[in-house]
Amino acid sequence: SQTIHQWPATLVQPVGSPLSLECTVEGTSNPNLYWYRQAAGRGLQLLFYSVGIGQISSEVPQNLSASRPQDRQFILSSKKLLLSDSGFYLCAWSVPSKNIQYFGAGTRLSVL
Amino acid sequence: QKEVEQDPGPLSVPEGAIVSLNCTYSNSAFQYFMWYRQYSRKGPELLMYTYSSGNKEDGRFTAQVDKSSKYISLFIRDSQPSDSATYLCATSNAGNMLTFGGGTRLMVKP
Repeated sequence: SQTIHQWPATLVQPVGSPLSLECTVEGTSNPNLYWYRQAAGRGLQLLFYSVGIGQISSEVPQNLSASRPQDRQFILSSKKLLLSDSGFYLCAWSVPSKNIQYFGAGTRLSVL
Repeated sequence: QKEVEQDPGPLSVPEGAIVSLNCTYSNSAFQYFMWYRQYSRKGPELLMYTYSSGNKEDGRFTAQVDKSSKYISLFIRDSQPSDSATYLCATSNAGNMLTFGGGTRLMVKP
């Protein structure tokens, strides 16, 4: 069966520090991968999605970037965190021919 | 206007009640409809998936889609305290992108 791993679960970082969140999927090949941000009490905002290695589409201009160095690995990064980057970050995957997305457990990021 | 609207709640009901959660959407191209359940500080998990109009039942959960009025519903029968969570509706056309509602927080009191 397919599983998605996301870490760390919780992260507290100072303003101006770098960020690296990692997401990996097991049990499937060539998945579509997604990064979302969820602000407190609000819906999911799609940040990036990828349909293959090295292929990244950005939905929202911001302080963040994404990379997909391997088929089942998706990384969310920032060179310098802002206070406004605080939130709950979720990674998700889907089979390319299907539109059902499956989510990881999320990373709660607090920028202080 | 958001593409998918959902009352944020909170919706508080006694244990055993029938719960009705609803979303409206504006894009008539949406054909696929999903409900996700999200417990506090966890990732969303897929509950129900339906295509086009009609009903789909799974245990205590029933998903209903009315494309003519662009209205999506999730009914929970015999609600339990363990059903307390935020429920997100999501829609999609034939592509891979999902459009989410803002979520409704449900509290089922014992």
